[in-house]
Amino acid sequence: AQTVTQSQPEMSVQEAETVTLSCTYDTSESDYYLFWYKQPPSRQMILVIRQEAYKQQNATENRFSVNFQKAAKSFSLKISDSQLGDAAMYFCAILGTASKLTFGTGTRLQVTL
Amino acid sequence: NAGVTQTPKFQVLKTGQSMTLQCAQDMNHNSMYWYRQDPGMGLRLIYYSASEGTTDKGEVPNGYNVSRLNKREFSLRLESAAPSQTSVYFCASRPEMGQVLEKLFFGSGTQLSVL
Repeated sequence: AQTVTQSQPEMSVQEAETVTLSCTYDTSESDYYLFWYKQPPSRQMILVIRQEAYKQQNATENRFSVNFQKAAKSFSLKISDSQLGDAAMYFCAILGTASKLTFGTGTRLQVTL
Repeated sequence: NAGVTQTPKFQVLKTGQSMTLQCAQDMNHNSMYWYRQDPGMGLRLIYYSASEGTTDKGEVPNGYNVSRLNKREFSLRLESAAPSQTSVYFCASRPEMGQVLEKLFFGSGTQLSVL
């Protein structure tokens, strides 16, 4: 079985500041992928960043970066220079080799002026 | 336009009624998924299909059935709807990892209310 835990139901950050969203997971597999998805009020699901478990280097996409700690099964998302448009629900997810894709319960991010 | 088409967008049912949610993708993806989203619960996997002709249970399969009719289509059926099945339902598909655009493609969602 694979599980994803997001322990922060809500987070708040001031515009231009940096925020880190936490995610831990559990899996018995050695080969898997990890994702962060953003869901704005429109309900659209937008891929933010992905990480292959076999890669030691942390993924980076512009202002978004991850801290992937494989031994600790931790996959946190750092958003730098936060913008008002970053306000949304953020979901962490894991994809195993059997194609099962499991999401966490989400973190609602508020961005304040 | 390439993507995942999910119908209907809204549906109201009475307890005990049945219905089928339709999902189709035109991107030649093998893997398809059905999720439900409830406040505070995130996206919970109902069923998934790794390839045409195969389906597997997810975290919350009770009360649902699925059919992978062909590579394009993956339908979700509620045989006897219950108020607990009131939710937003999402269909998704993805290419094999390692290919270009290796991400999930989501449908626009179905808002289902069971009275």
